[in-house]
Amino acid sequence: ETVLTQSPATLSLSPGERATLSCRASQSVDIYLAWYQKKPGQAPRLLIYDASKRATGIPPRFSGSGSGTDFTLTISSLETEDFAVYYCQQRKSWPPLTFGEGTRVEIK
Amino acid sequence: EVQLVESGGDLVQPGGSLRLSCSASGFTFSTYGLTWVRQAPGKGLEWVSGILTNFNTYYADSVKGRFTISRDNSKNTIYLQMNSLRAEDTAVYYCAKLLSAGGSDMHFAQWGQGTLVTVSS
Repeated sequence: ETVLTQSPATLSLSPGERATLSCRASQSVDIYLAWYQKKPGQAPRLLIYDASKRATGIPPRFSGSGSGTDFTLTISSLETEDFAVYYCQQRKSWPPLTFGEGTRVEIK
Repeated sequence: EVQLVESGGDLVQPGGSLRLSCSASGFTFSTYGLTWVRQAPGKGLEWVSGILTNFNTYYADSVKGRFTISRDNSKNTIYLQMNSLRAEDTAVYYCAKLLSAGGSDMHFAQWGQGTLVTVSS
C-alpha cells in the first residue's frame, strides 16, 4: 500500500498570502497524484490531477507540481473561500487507492 | 450537468446490512467507472470500492468480503451492498465518477453529496 504523508497538518494564513502544501508518497507514484478540496458538509472537489493539471473550472491560483514521491499544491493568493481541508490521492498503485491525512488551511 | 445522488444511508445495528444507491445523470453512464469513498466523523477520506466499465470490481481491505459493489447500466445506478456492518463503518459515503471515459484512471472528477451511515446499537 502506498502511504501518503501530508504536511503541515494545519496551515494558518491570512487572505492574500501564499499557501504551500506538501504530499510525500512512501513509494514512487510517477505523476499520478491528485489534490482535492473538502469543506464541511460539502462533497470533495477535484482541483489538480496527474500532479499538475488543473481540473475544469479551477482558478489559476491553484497549481500543482512534483513527481515520484514529492508533490506540492500551491495557492498563490488565498481567497476566503479557499479555507478548507486539502487531500492528496494517488492512483499509481491500487487497490487500494490511498489519500493523505489532509492539511487544514485556516484563517490566521 | 453531471449529477450523482446517493441514497440508502440509515441507522443500523452492528452486524446488520444496508444497500446504498448512487443514481447518475448528465453523462453516458456505461462509459465511466465509479467509486465509493467514505469519511468517518472527524476523519479523512477513505476509498472503499470501485467498479469499472467492464464490471471489474475492487475493494479496500477493510471492507473486502463484507461489501459488494455493482452497477446497473439500464438504471444509471451503482450500488454498495454492505453486510456485517461494524461501528467503524460509520461515515458519510460518497459516490464519485472517474475523470475519463472508458479508463481506469482513478481520479474523481465529480462527487455526490453523500449519504450518512451510522452503525450503532
